[in-house]
Amino acid sequence: NAGVTQTPKFQVLKTGQSMTLQCAQDMNHNSMYWYRQDPGMGLRLIYYSASEGTTDKGEVPNGYNVSRLNKREFSLRLESAAPSQTSVYFCASSVRGYYEQYFGPGTRLTVT
Amino acid sequence: GDSVTQMEGPVTLSEEAFLTINCTYTATGYPSLFWYVQYPGEGLQLLLKATKADDKGSNKGFEATYRKETTSFHLEKGSVQVSDSAVYFCALPLYNQGGKLIFGQGTELSVKP
Repeated sequence: NAGVTQTPKFQVLKTGQSMTLQCAQDMNHNSMYWYRQDPGMGLRLIYYSASEGTTDKGEVPNGYNVSRLNKREFSLRLESAAPSQTSVYFCASSVRGYYEQYFGPGTRLTVT
Repeated sequence: GDSVTQMEGPVTLSEEAFLTINCTYTATGYPSLFWYVQYPGEGLQLLLKATKADDKGSNKGFEATYRKETTSFHLEKGSVQVSDSAVYFCALPLYNQGGKLIFGQGTELSVKP
């Protein structure tokens, strides 16, 4: 099993550009999550999907949209990138809420 | 609200030294507790977990016991190796927001040969 995979690993964008971060899991998990990690701020939840067909906002959703494409895939879209969105983005999945989460390797995004 | 507090780092130890990283929590009910490890340039990996009071989680020589009376989940290892150098996070899930994880601030461990 590959676990949780994320693409791309690195990305540089100019302010105003858009992009989609892809995440997939092969563990048949129901719940999936997007976090961002910033120095001094720890990990903060952007959006989550408790089950296929549902998505909900986390603590820092502004400037992002998500799509739960199917049970395996959960994508994060930046419509108009801003320098404040420079961060490392992690996708995670769990069997269901309140259980341990398994993380992907991350996408390192720089917005200039 | 629910929260996790970890001892501040960074922590520097010599190889084969004993490690303790303190973690205390405030929570509604009795959630599972987790320790995650993040190696440089990588994602978070689940190191160990405990699902109820008095449970001991263990993995790769690391241990932590879920102490309800002291609301603690301290991470210990009897003999650290250079390869244990990483950032360690204590975490618990919230009973809303789909089980969102609340993390401690992370403790950076550096082990010198």
